[in-house]
Amino acid sequence: QTVVTQEPSLTVSPGGTVTLTCASNTGVVTSGYYPNWFQQKPGQAPRALIYSTSNKHSWTPARFSGSLLGGKAALTLSDVQPEDEAEYYCLLYYGGAQHYVFGTGTKVTVL
Amino acid sequence: EVQLLESGGGLVQPGGSLRLSCAASGFTFSSSAMTWVRQAPGKGLEWVSAIKGSGGSTYYADSVKGRFTISRDNSKNTLYLQMNSLRADDTAVYYCAKLQNHGVTLDYWGPGTLVTVSS
Repeated sequence: QTVVTQEPSLTVSPGGTVTLTCASNTGVVTSGYYPNWFQQKPGQAPRALIYSTSNKHSWTPARFSGSLLGGKAALTLSDVQPEDEAEYYCLLYYGGAQHYVFGTGTKVTVL
Repeated sequence: EVQLLESGGGLVQPGGSLRLSCAASGFTFSSSAMTWVRQAPGKGLEWVSAIKGSGGSTYYADSVKGRFTISRDNSKNTLYLQMNSLRADDTAVYYCAKLQNHGVTLDYWGPGTLVTVSS
């Protein structure tokens, strides 16, 4: 069974920087998994932030960036704002099996 | 403006069936792969199923394979999820979402519809 793991929770101060990671139990995450990142606030549907590792949607604030870091996909939030407090999920595409797997989610607290 | 709106959720008994619909607008529906994602109460996101724009290829998570069927009617710009043999652990908010870039980018989401499986 494929499992994609994220940090359960992270805390960051307003104006600070925080990096979330996304690891696969199948091995190194590469661009071939086309990592996507989503933000979800309580009671709302998820909102797409990043696709194909590092590409931003037209609505994605510039302070969000995606990358590959140490064999994992990563989402970095810079100059964090209070409204960035939310749950963040990654999504990996396993093309060989034509499956998608969401990460376990990271709750980001701005304090 | 891309809009997705799910419907068909509700309360169903274990072993029962339900069909969800997702009405799409604001984009060329027949050219876009689509997917269903669910979220159990207080839990994370789980990918459920996907279908290519033509409807010719479908994909399922192991947890629903053989019980759920994804389909689409491109003449009605509508996506469906037929759910049979429902179990308590199928209780969740079900979201439809649009895929692009040959299915590797998930960009737009609907607001979701709640399915509760309980006696």
